Amino acid sequence: AQSVAQPEDQVNVAEGNPLTVKCTYSVSGNPYLFWYVQYPNRGLQFLLKYITGDNLVKGSYGFEAEFNKSQTSFHLKKPSALVSDSALYFCAVNSGGYQKVTFGTGTKLQVIP
Amino acid sequence: DAGVTQSPTHLIKTRGQQVTLRCSPKSGHDTVSWYQQALGQGPQFIFQYYEEEERQRGNFPDRFSGHQFPNYSSELNVNALLLGDSALYLCASSLDGNEQYFGPGTRLTVT
Repeated sequence: AQSVAQPEDQVNVAEGNPLTVKCTYSVSGNPYLFWYVQYPNRGLQFLLKYITGDNLVKGSYGFEAEFNKSQTSFHLKKPSALVSDSALYFCAVNSGGYQKVTFGTGTKLQVIP
Repeated sequence: DAGVTQSPTHLIKTRGQQVTLRCSPKSGHDTVSWYQQALGQGPQFIFQYYEEEERQRGNFPDRFSGHQFPNYSSELNVNALLLGDSALYLCASSLDGNEQYFGPGTRLTVT
């Protein structure tokens, strides 16, 4: 069975500082990894994905994520946090194609002005 | 280009009743997946429809059923509602199966 772990329920960071939201995964075969963001009372918005290629993936709104196969991690990063980045972030994984997607429990990011 | 739309936005039902939620996928998408997101949790996969058939199913009871129409829109039906079915129900569409676009969700409250 595939799974995703987001070890931090909440991450606090000062505006302008770099941020990292952690994610580790478990899946059979090659992983397809995703990050989504959810604002209050809204659906999920796609940020970025890793399927193959460069380990550093760039996505929307200045976010990027680093795939580390040996550590089975896919941490979300941003060089300089904005207050508007405050939201709930979900990491997700599947084994590709039309296989079901498994989400983590989410990490609340709070950017402090 | 319209994204994924869902209706209704909010719904209140009584235990034992039945409910139908609707989803229209993003233009050009042929696959629809449904998720249940309980408060404070990540989305849980219910099932996926492709070519009007259920292709994948998560760990949900048979009370949860669905349908996909020739225009790729989809319905989620839940019978014999329980209090525990209260959640945000999300629909997601995709074309290649890898990148899903989510609708705003339907908030179901069961009293």
